[in-house]
Amino acid sequence: SQQGEEDPQALSIQEGENATMNCSYKTSINNLQWYRQNSGRGLVHLILIRSNEREKHSGRLRVTLDTSKKSSSLLITASRAADTASYFCATDASGRDGSSNTGKLIFGQGTTLQVKP
Amino acid sequence: DAGVTQSPTHLIKTRGQQVTLRCSPKSGHDTVSWYQQALGQGPQFIFQYYEEEERQRGNFPDRFSGHQFPNYSSELNVNALLLGDSALYLCASSRRSTSGNTIYFGEGSWLTVV
Repeated sequence: SQQGEEDPQALSIQEGENATMNCSYKTSINNLQWYRQNSGRGLVHLILIRSNEREKHSGRLRVTLDTSKKSSSLLITASRAADTASYFCATDASGRDGSSNTGKLIFGQGTTLQVKP
Repeated sequence: DAGVTQSPTHLIKTRGQQVTLRCSPKSGHDTVSWYQQALGQGPQFIFQYYEEEERQRGNFPDRFSGHQFPNYSSELNVNALLLGDSALYLCASSRRSTSGNTIYFGEGSWLTVV
């Protein structure tokens, strides 16, 4: 069963605009990871945010985590045509106290982002 | 530093046949997990191997089995293939630790069952 739900399911923007994707989940988590997937390819890891962190940056990416609302957002600034892909959030629900991390990820359905040149 | 490698990249099988997919984890990683991703869906966790034993399992039938070798590489076996087994099979590797760690994925193996 899917833990996370991404919103929106599809997003189309112009190059240079910002893209925001949201993810909600149901159970307590150890950490949350965002991945990108180009059509028919493997998953590329973008960023990991731990349950005790609220915000994290990596280049043009900004991820926030609100554990009280069980939600996360991924912001891509100054988007490029090469950012066109599907984006997934994945939660590691094990080890609520952080004492264990079995690495079992539960994925949402993903957001398909199209960036028009 | 090689990442996660999987083979084969594509294969076609007939219903009822058996298939074996292979995965080599990223250097320094000791834990391998397998995921199934149907078209238009997010990946679904199949099972995870650590120290050559299955440690966790998702909601998949016994037709799905696996193995981990002493060098940490892994195989996924699916018996009695069904049309519904057609999917992208992803291998993920990580290092066992007490804190959150990044999980890396391979490019996947596309399985088509006809």
